[in-house]
Amino acid sequence: DSGVTQTPKHLITATGQRVTLRCSPRSGDLSVYWYQQSLDQGLQFLIQYYNGEERAKGNILERFSAQQFPDLHSELNLSSLELGDSALYFCASSVVPSGELFFGEGSRLTVL
Amino acid sequence: GNSVTQMEGPVTLSEEAFLTINCTYTATGYPSLFWYVQYPGEGLQLLLKATKADDKGSNKGFEATYRKETTSFHLEKGSVQVSDSAVYFCALSVPQTGANNLFFGTGTRLTVIP
Repeated sequence: DSGVTQTPKHLITATGQRVTLRCSPRSGDLSVYWYQQSLDQGLQFLIQYYNGEERAKGNILERFSAQQFPDLHSELNLSSLELGDSALYFCASSVVPSGELFFGEGSRLTVL
Repeated sequence: GNSVTQMEGPVTLSEEAFLTINCTYTATGYPSLFWYVQYPGEGLQLLLKATKADDKGSNKGFEATYRKETTSFHLEKGSVQVSDSAVYFCALSVPQTGANNLFFGTGTRLTVIP
């Protein structure tokens, strides 16, 4: 158990819909990262927050947005969903921005 | 830019065989290098790391040496077990950027058969 909690574990929805994925980092971790894992794209960095502020942005689509709240949990919002958005979405956390990340078990999104 | 090129899989080995998974990198600045492992149905876990040239990271019988001259960080294990079956990811981060986010390779699936 990494200490990073992601909900929901599985989500099935339809094209055009909007979903929110939630992440609770390890206790004491200020930095949160979101990654997308798909068969054809591998592990893609989406976005990083540190203590509530956006620190880095990767290959995140404009239809996607995220935020980190004062209690340090984070949410990833995916809207106008397309079939190609089906993937595993991982949240990871670290005490400070670091390459040593602790990953959650992921949220598997299926868009039908 | 920053990128990692990893040996294509899948790799299938018999128990107690020697394992090498190749990894090379391109980075701006002075990267830190990592190997992460993903067991079936789980998130990624840090396996080992090295933060400067000639450092050797090791854990659970796995080793990798940071080779600046060849920009490589190959993963090795002398005798694999069935429980080592997983997907292995090479990754780098560049601490000087401040964000320090990880850039991953494509992953190599290892299957160890009894």
